[in-house]
Amino acid sequence: DIQLTQSPSFLSASVGDRVTVTCRASQGISNYLAWYQLKPGEAPQLLIYAASTLQTGVPSRFSGSGSGTEFTLTISGLQPEDIATYYCQQLSSYPRLFTFGPGTKVEIK
Amino acid sequence: QMQLQESGPGLVKPSETLSLTCAVLGGSISSGNWWSWVRQSPGKGLEWIGEIYQSGSTNYNPSLKSRVSMSVDKSKNQFSLRLSSLTAADTAVYYCARELKNIPYYFDSWGLGTLVTVSS
Repeated sequence: DIQLTQSPSFLSASVGDRVTVTCRASQGISNYLAWYQLKPGEAPQLLIYAASTLQTGVPSRFSGSGSGTEFTLTISGLQPEDIATYYCQQLSSYPRLFTFGPGTKVEIK
Repeated sequence: QMQLQESGPGLVKPSETLSLTCAVLGGSISSGNWWSWVRQSPGKGLEWIGEIYQSGSTNYNPSLKSRVSMSVDKSKNQFSLRLSSLTAADTAVYYCARELKNIPYYFDSWGLGTLVTVSS
């Protein structure tokens, strides 16, 4: 099975900072990677899919990049409403299995 | 705008079977999307449980396959999850989610989740 790791597991940054979260896959997954935002009591939100495609309605300060085994989620100008835990996710085809990274918790300094 | 709403018991006893339902509101279960269940155990990450299509075709996480079954009820516009032989390790928030149409590799809509506690 393909494993996903994320770094850092926790980060604290100031409002307006540029924040970067990294997701690494144990083997190449082309660009089949998504990023989600989870807030307590809210429905999880898809931010980015296919590594770099911004989901409709997601603020443009969110961006994604990467392919193969290393991917990044960038928040260009952290906002208070961005306090959340961010997860990466990929799909293995054979057998069909969705897996998630362990998450990165983002807080405001 | 389509919304997903999970429902089911908040407390289940060990060894029993959990039954959860996800209502598709403002949309159709027969829209051509795949529909999934994902859970998050306390203090842990996300785990995909399985998926179902409008036809009833399913795929399950191999680690849970022996205990999971899913079904679709088109007349009620909902889909369901059954998880048997519960233990405390099954305590989690259970989410239902819709996979992107034509790109069923990602989840573009999620419910709020429902907390299920397994305890006697």
